[in-house]
Amino acid sequence: GEDVEQSLFLSVREGDSSVINCTYTDSSSTYLYWYKQEPGAGLQLLTYIFSNMDMKQDQRLTVLLNKKDKHLSLRIADTQTGDSAIYFCAERDAGNNRKLIWGLGTSLAVNP
Amino acid sequence: NAGVMQNPRHLVRRRGQEARLRCSPVKGHSHVYWYRQLPEEGLKFMVYLQKENIIDESGMPKERFSAEFPKEGPSILRIQQVVRGDSAAYFCATTQGANTEAFFGQGTRLTVV
Repeated sequence: GEDVEQSLFLSVREGDSSVINCTYTDSSSTYLYWYKQEPGAGLQLLTYIFSNMDMKQDQRLTVLLNKKDKHLSLRIADTQTGDSAIYFCAERDAGNNRKLIWGLGTSLAVNP
Repeated sequence: NAGVMQNPRHLVRRRGQEARLRCSPVKGHSHVYWYRQLPEEGLKFMVYLQKENIIDESGMPKERFSAEFPKEGPSILRIQQVVRGDSAAYFCATTQGANTEAFFGQGTRLTVV
């Protein structure tokens, strides 16, 4: 079945790079997404990548997609305390009404 | 995205009462998805509606839960006879078409006491 997995916690120092990893199982995924959720808030779309791309860069964010290994990563350069949040990886199911399949989220803690 | 409005933001219900959660899509969006986020868990798909039609309700519990998206007005997620296990954050997302970007509301946090 469909499954998206992420490590649950990541701790980095302010100014370092953060790399959040995600693996998925559905090879027919069309889009893969990264969402950010701050405490008590809704979900904010950070970036997404279409499945025929390898990499996408958007300011401090770099998304890498290894389609062969079904591995997605989000790199945040120069991580700031304001980046502390839960980061969700999601894939769009190409077949089943395009619903999003979610990972459990990676909680990123940025230490001064 | 601020364009999707969910209300109320917080809802407290006693066991056995009904909960009604509303989602007003971004203007022009006709596809609505509801997700539930249980404490310490990720988001789980519940139901997908497209104006007046339920397209996929494979994630909805079989009893007590229902959803609608009328021609006029917001989408409603209705939970009858709530139990403590229904306590969660409920998010809706809307899209313009089936393959376009999903915008999320801020969520409704339901607490059953």
